[in-house]
Amino acid sequence: KQEVTQIPAALSVPEGENLVLNCSFTDSAIYNLQWFRQDPGKGLTSLLLIQSSQREQTSGRLNASLDKSSGRSTLYIAASQPGDSATYLCAVIGGNKLTFGGGTRVLVKP
Amino acid sequence: EPEVTQTPSHQVTQMGQEVILRCVPISNHLYFYWYRQILGQKVEFLVSFYNNEISEKSEIFDDQFSVERPDGSNFTLKIRSTKLEDSAMYFCASSEGANSPLHFGNGTRLTVT
Repeated sequence: KQEVTQIPAALSVPEGENLVLNCSFTDSAIYNLQWFRQDPGKGLTSLLLIQSSQREQTSGRLNASLDKSSGRSTLYIAASQPGDSATYLCAVIGGNKLTFGGGTRVLVKP
Repeated sequence: EPEVTQTPSHQVTQMGQEVILRCVPISNHLYFYWYRQILGQKVEFLVSFYNNEISEKSEIFDDQFSVERPDGSNFTLKIRSTKLEDSAMYFCASSEGANSPLHFGNGTRLTVT
């Protein structure tokens, strides 16, 4: 059974610092990995998708890496802004479903 | 850009009542899903649906739950007799194919009193 873990559970940084969010998964037989953003009480916004054959994916200030063999993905957010404050969820696609981690709650202080 | 839409955005019901949560998946998608998120907890898989039948379900998806695609566009989740612990945000999602990226709706917040 796939287990997805995100560390740390919460993170607080001053504005301008780079953010590093970690995700690990137990079963490396995945098809894709998605990173989502969730604002309090809101839905899930897809940020980046990394296919299992890829090592990384970039979108603006966001960069996500994937190391399937070690079961890890890292989301980097450069030059953080207060608007980046949210919960970031990692999810792996395999077995025809998405398995989510518990999320990292990020606070960027102005 | 096409999106998954869910209605209502918020539903309040009394314990023991039946509720139906509605979703309109993206039109060319073939796989449909329901997930739920109890406040402060992980997003959990409930059920996947393909070719007019359930393809997989979790242990959460017991006899109180059912899904249906009554027409060519809607995908519904029914909870027959709601319990307090069914209070959660329910997310619908769809994908083009098996193991393709999922697209999520904005969710329905279900409150059981």
